[in-house]
Amino acid sequence: AQTVTQSQPEMSVQEAETVTLSCTYDTSESDYYLFWYKQPPSRQMILVIRQEAYKQQNATENRFSVNFQKAAKSFSLKISDSQLGDAAMYFCAFLRWGGSEKLVFGKGTKLTVNP
Amino acid sequence: SQTIHQWPATLVQPVGSPLSLECTVEGTSNPNLYWYRQAAGRGLQLLFYSVGIGQISSEVPQNLSASRPQDRQFILSSKKLLLSDSGFYLCAWSSLIPGQGFTTNEKLFFGSGTQLSVL
Repeated sequence: AQTVTQSQPEMSVQEAETVTLSCTYDTSESDYYLFWYKQPPSRQMILVIRQEAYKQQNATENRFSVNFQKAAKSFSLKISDSQLGDAAMYFCAFLRWGGSEKLVFGKGTKLTVNP
Repeated sequence: SQTIHQWPATLVQPVGSPLSLECTVEGTSNPNLYWYRQAAGRGLQLLFYSVGIGQISSEVPQNLSASRPQDRQFILSSKKLLLSDSGFYLCAWSSLIPGQGFTTNEKLFFGSGTQLSVL
């Protein structure tokens, strides 16, 4: 079974600085998707960024980028120029391609942005 | 466009009472449907998922059950609620077609959630 581990229960960053959230996963599959979701206090789940495992190039969405290390099974999220609105719970998630359609989540990292 | 509706937003139920949470999807057909639970300060735990009408897979044995009476309707139920059933319940759908990939750019869409308090 696939597992997703987020080893940082909480992180904090100063406004305008850069922060990196860690995520590792365990799978024997070669084809899969990885995601980072943001959950603000409203509790709505918001997709931040996604990565297809077959793509070597790291995904980027504006201030958000990932460092995808397939061999190491690592998928970290970097937030540049942090803003107060970035404060939220961040969840890493794994979805296997072509088999079971289950999206497996990590336990989350609570990000605080200090003004 | 696709939308997902989940209700109610909040629910307070006594221990031992029944439960029925409903989720419906519009604007798509044959979605994969999911029920997740998020306990306070915890991550999302997958409870059930469904790839078609009447097809339910359970991830965690417990006193909850799920049903999919229609293509775009997913219901979470319990005959007798326990205190431990309290939590935030999220319905979600995805457009993944096994062997073919996703039919939308975004992969998983979430409802707005139901906060269940069992007292």
